[in-house]
Amino acid sequence: NAGVTQTPKFQVLKTGQSMTLQCAQDMNHEYMSWYRQDPGMGLRLIHYSVGAGITDQGEVPNGYNVSRSTTEDFPLRLLSAAPSQTSVYFCASSASTGWSTEAFFGQGTRLTVV
Amino acid sequence: AQSVTQLGSHVSVSEGALVLLRCNYSSSVPPYLFWYVQYPNQGLQLLLKYTSAATLVKGINGFEAEFKKSETSFHLTKPSAHMSDAAEYFCAVRDPFGNEKLTFGTGTRLTIIP
Repeated sequence: NAGVTQTPKFQVLKTGQSMTLQCAQDMNHEYMSWYRQDPGMGLRLIHYSVGAGITDQGEVPNGYNVSRSTTEDFPLRLLSAAPSQTSVYFCASSASTGWSTEAFFGQGTRLTVV
Repeated sequence: AQSVTQLGSHVSVSEGALVLLRCNYSSSVPPYLFWYVQYPNQGLQLLLKYTSAATLVKGINGFEAEFKKSETSFHLTKPSAHMSDAAEYFCAVRDPFGNEKLTFGTGTRLTIIP
């Protein structure tokens, strides 16, 4: 069982470039989300989705775009990369069966914008 | 909005000593609380969760946490630290009346001294 799979694991971008971080889960979870992790700031929510076709903004959505065409996939798009987007990005999924449901995390994508 | 505060961004303990990592939450109603662990260059893994069924919660790897409503705390403890416990630990809260978003604390890095 693969769980939550993120690709790529590492990426270097030049300022102004665009790219898509991929996230896929094989647990049939309805809820998926993207976080960024920065030193001393914990994990901050970028965007989330409660099901296919439904997305919403989190705490730090500016500069990012998402879509959810299938239950399995939840890609995160950087429209025009900026150095401030240098971070480690985590995708997570959980079953929408209750508030105590555990969130499962991918291994992360380490992004550097130069 | 729900939030959690983790006191101490870095904690060092000797191998075999007690581990105590602090987490306080802000909420007018009992929230759902979680502790996650992140080993170097990995994603987050659930240690334990509080769901109001019991105030003392036991998790994996010998960790446990006690929910204290009077102190709005959910501190993580382990009686005897092991070298393999070196990691970053995150407290998180989910709003029982909101959507399924998890809000994370800023994390505590635990170092084990041989």
